[in-house]
Amino acid sequence: EAGVAQSPRYKIIEKRQSVAFWCNPISGHATLYWYQQILGQGPKLLIQFQNNGVVDDSQLPKDRFSAERLKGVDSTLKIQPAKLEDSAVYLCASSSSLGSGSYEQYFGPGTRLTVT
Amino acid sequence: AQSVSQHNHHVILSEAASLELGCNYSYGGTVNLFWYVQYPGQHLQLLLKYFSGDPLVKGIKGFEAEFIKSKFSFNLRKPSVQWSDTAEYFCAVGSKADKLIFGTGTRLQVFP
Repeated sequence: EAGVAQSPRYKIIEKRQSVAFWCNPISGHATLYWYQQILGQGPKLLIQFQNNGVVDDSQLPKDRFSAERLKGVDSTLKIQPAKLEDSAVYLCASSSSLGSGSYEQYFGPGTRLTVT
Repeated sequence: AQSVSQHNHHVILSEAASLELGCNYSYGGTVNLFWYVQYPGQHLQLLLKYFSGDPLVKGIKGFEAEFIKSKFSFNLRKPSVQWSDTAEYFCAVGSKADKLIFGTGTRLQVFP
């Protein structure tokens, strides 16, 4: 089966600019996640969708970050305006789980964002 | 608060050496535990997982991990590492809400 697709793979922007990342999960996976991985740290969950509804966005800096998952398939994550500290790898993952707790998350290759 | 600690940030081994990477967690509910691995230039992928039952879990590529509830630990082991095991290893704890909390990762370098 095809894996989780993400684009772009790399992005360099100046601070205060905006940027958007795209994710296409594994077909049929109801749950989609966006993580932020800062260099030297583990991935940190930003937002979790189940179908097209938000399950958890408690760690999403809502003053500058937004995400949507229209039609319960693809998702976009946007940052506007970007700050230097947003430099990180943004990972998308998907899972077939619907809250049973028995699941594996499948990760995409990530988008490496550099804010200058 | 839920958290995961990985004590070893960088481990350097020679081929055929034994490996043990520490992982301790703090979580108040029923715990699901994972080890993910990221090989150079590749995606994060699942190495092994524990949900219930036998606390000794076997994963891919000869890795295993033992869940010790009394110590809140889920250490990763491999009796004999290979150069191809060079990667970054992440321990994670998951809730029934399907939320994963990752540790900071351990970078393993294996030299021939």
